[in-house]
Amino acid sequence: DVKVTQSSRYLVKRTGEKVFLECVQDMDHENMFWYRQDPGLGLRLIYFSYDVKMKEKGDIPEGYSVSREKKERFSLILESASTNQTSMYLCASSPGGGGGYEQYFGPGTRLTVT
Amino acid sequence: KQEVTQIPAALSVPEGENLVLNCSFTDSAIYNLQWFRQDPGKGLTSLLLIQSSQREQTSGRLNASLDKSSGRSTLYIAASQPGDSATYLCAANTGNQFYFGTGTSLTVIP
Repeated sequence: DVKVTQSSRYLVKRTGEKVFLECVQDMDHENMFWYRQDPGLGLRLIYFSYDVKMKEKGDIPEGYSVSREKKERFSLILESASTNQTSMYLCASSPGGGGGYEQYFGPGTRLTVT
Repeated sequence: KQEVTQIPAALSVPEGENLVLNCSFTDSAIYNLQWFRQDPGKGLTSLLLIQSSQREQTSGRLNASLDKSSGRSTLYIAASQPGDSATYLCAANTGNQFYFGTGTSLTVIP
């Protein structure tokens, strides 16, 4: 079974803090994704990575950055947390190769910025 | 850009009823269509994956169909149970990206 794990289920941070969300997958997948999910807006793609050290902006990259130093780990960084970044953050992975593959999700991190 | 729509946004049915959830997408050039289940406060669990060359996939009481030319997919749930209560999302895969609908919140009443 593919396993995608996220470092925290719940996180509370203060405005202006630098926040790190970690995601690890154990199936040697090329592609990894960070989404945020908000009521009424669905899942929105923040960043994705198709290889080590490679990244692409998604629909809402502002205020976020990412790091992928190893194939199995994809980190989302909130440079200076703001209250409008309070959300559910979901990490996912899929095999690479141009599409046609299944996407697997982690359990999510509920981030609250106060 | 691919846009995915799910109707209805919420559905409430009595236990035992058969039901259909709808998903439509604007760009028919997809690799696959994936259906997920999400329980409150949790991540997404994959239910069914239909490749673009397939018409349908079945798993237990679930059956998903795909009509690429009309940009539609349906998820059929037979003999619904209270444990089926959750939000159901569909996602269209185009290249390395996945585009999600906003989901249908299903409540099955005992």
